[in-house]
Amino acid sequence: SQQGEEDPQALSIQEGENATMNCSYKTSINNLQWYRQNSGRGLVHLILIRSNEREKHSGRLRVTLDTSKKSSSLLITASRAADTASYFCATDLVGAGNNRKLIWGLGTSLAVNP
Amino acid sequence: DTEVTQTPKHLVMGMTNKKSLKCEQHMGHRAMYWYKQKAKKPPELMFVYSYEKLSINESVPSRFSPECPNSSLLNLHLHALQPEDSALYLCASSQGLGTSGAKNIQYFGAGTRLSVL
Repeated sequence: SQQGEEDPQALSIQEGENATMNCSYKTSINNLQWYRQNSGRGLVHLILIRSNEREKHSGRLRVTLDTSKKSSSLLITASRAADTASYFCATDLVGAGNNRKLIWGLGTSLAVNP
Repeated sequence: DTEVTQTPKHLVMGMTNKKSLKCEQHMGHRAMYWYKQKAKKPPELMFVYSYEKLSINESVPSRFSPECPNSSLLNLHLHALQPEDSALYLCASSQGLGTSGAKNIQYFGAGTRLSVL
């Protein structure tokens, strides 16, 4: 079963605005990743944050991780129409051993209007 | 080269057909994955291969049969599918299944859009 929950489920903003989406999870993790998926296409890895990190930046992306609240946020600054996509968080569970796998959030659908 | 190639891009099959989906990567990755994704849902893990051995089978019906002929190739054989199996099938690869963060980053193909009639 999916342990991640994301909110909002859908977000619509104007070009140039910032977009923030959140992800919550239930168990201890090694790291948390964010992926983007354009409509009907494969997922693209955006950023990985380790459990001992609190914040990470990559270009216009800023990710925070609060392990005490078991939550993460993805901020996209100065959004562009090309940022229109679904965004998923994925967590890597502690103790999964050789059968480790990513646990996926339900996703946030972002629409950036020109 | 960070590309995972999936063929075909689209597939329409009847419930009595046998078909195969193919996936190829040349990044030297030792873990490969099959996912099924329905519209507006997250990907659902089906199978994981690690060093060409089946590592995880998420209780997938036997009408789906994975095969990993070598470290670069992953197939998914389909037989007697049901209309509810229509979905986007995604292949992914990663360096391995280790604890290092970078090893867990998955690289996805563009997917095969499957329609079962």
